[in-house]
Amino acid sequence: DAGVTQSPTHLIKTRGQQVTLRCSPKSGHDTVSWYQQALGQGPQFIFQYYEEEERQRGNFPDRFSGHQFPNYSSELNVNALLLGDSALYLCASSFWGRGSPLHFGNGTRLTVT
Amino acid sequence: DAKTTQPTSMDCAEGRAANLPCNHSTISGNEYVYWYRQIHSQGPQYIIHGLKNNETNEMASLIITEDRKSSTLILPHATLRDTAVYYCIVRVEPGVYGGSQGNLIFGKGTKLSVKP
Repeated sequence: DAGVTQSPTHLIKTRGQQVTLRCSPKSGHDTVSWYQQALGQGPQFIFQYYEEEERQRGNFPDRFSGHQFPNYSSELNVNALLLGDSALYLCASSFWGRGSPLHFGNGTRLTVT
Repeated sequence: DAKTTQPTSMDCAEGRAANLPCNHSTISGNEYVYWYRQIHSQGPQYIIHGLKNNETNEMASLIITEDRKSSTLILPHATLRDTAVYYCIVRVEPGVYGGSQGNLIFGKGTKLSVKP
């Protein structure tokens, strides 16, 4: 049973560019959340998707957007990249409407130069 | 801001019990205490959670004080592979009719170093 998978594992982009990160949830899970983790900090919540809709959003600008597909997989898009967007981006999946723990992937390391 | 307070770092000898404290003095009645850990270069891993009773699973035990203002995560026989950052998080659970899970608010956690 595969856990949460993310791709790519590493990515290098230039300021001003756009990036798309991908996530496949753990089998059976229907909810996907995205987190950003800067070096030396705990993860920060970006947003959460369920039934292909954004359900909750953290304190991130509109440059950060997402999508969830009918098969529950998800994408995170970041436009107009800034140097400060360099971070580990984590995807987590869970069941909607239950007190189930989040299962995290190992993340995508994004470096903006 | 995180609703919990944890020591920045702790050391533990291999084979001994690791006791990681967490203060959550403003916890609400409908908030659970969750523990996650993050080993270097990996995503956070769920360990255990509880509301008011002590909990135990194959990884750890969670002791919550009667007033629920603090808790302790216990790793009974720490190994080198338990070296990680441990996060204590309080989280509202969805109601009976479902609803948002509520996002996790991570602090900086406790860096546990298990030494031979």
